Amino acid sequence: QSVLTQPPSVSGVPGQRVTMSCTGSSSNIGAGYDVHWYQQFPGTAPRLLIYGNSNRPSGVPDRFSGSKSGTSASLAISGLQAEDEADYYCQSYDSSLSGSLFGGGTKLTVL
Amino acid sequence: QVQLQESGPGLVKPSGTLSLTCAVSGDSISSSYWWTWVRQPPGKGLEWLGEIFHRGGINYNPSLKSRVTMSIDNSKNQFSLRLSSVTAADTAVYFCAREKRLTYHHYYMDVWGKGTTVTVSS
Repeated sequence: QSVLTQPPSVSGVPGQRVTMSCTGSSSNIGAGYDVHWYQQFPGTAPRLLIYGNSNRPSGVPDRFSGSKSGTSASLAISGLQAEDEADYYCQSYDSSLSGSLFGGGTKLTVL
Repeated sequence: QVQLQESGPGLVKPSGTLSLTCAVSGDSISSSYWWTWVRQPPGKGLEWLGEIFHRGGINYNPSLKSRVTMSIDNSKNQFSLRLSSVTAADTAVYFCAREKRLTYHHYYMDVWGKGTTVTVSS
């Protein structure tokens, strides 16, 4: 089954650095397909945060960074701010699906 | 500035057909982008439904393949989603989005509509 696994929740205090993972398999991340990240606030549409594993669209602060290794990817947020509290989703192509696959999402809480 | 706007009935009866349209402004539906639908059930994560390209390319999520149809209307600069035989499990916020492709298998959604809520209930 094609799945991208994300931890349901992560938390941190303002100023801290937090990371969240996205674990896939040989049919998606492990096959070399790019990982992309989205940020979603309650009641709003997702917003592209990171594309192509580690690239930031214009307007995204450099506090956000992405990386990929093997069958996993990670999103890091440094200098955590209260406004970063949101849901974060990873997305990749899956060859078994012949289409896009989203992770289950990680809820970031800023304590 | 590219904008996408979903529209369609907010309530669909069980076993009926869900029909949504996404109007595109600020870009041509016939440009180099693919166009996609994503949904989000209440309190849950995102699910990719499928994608369409103006030159005839279409890919559907296999879990929905027998029920889903997507189409493009070049004259109205919009694309559409039809989902048949709906059940309560199809209740969700439906988003349309633009796909930016780095290569055929490397793409992401760079512009999203605000989403529209569809409830399946009698």
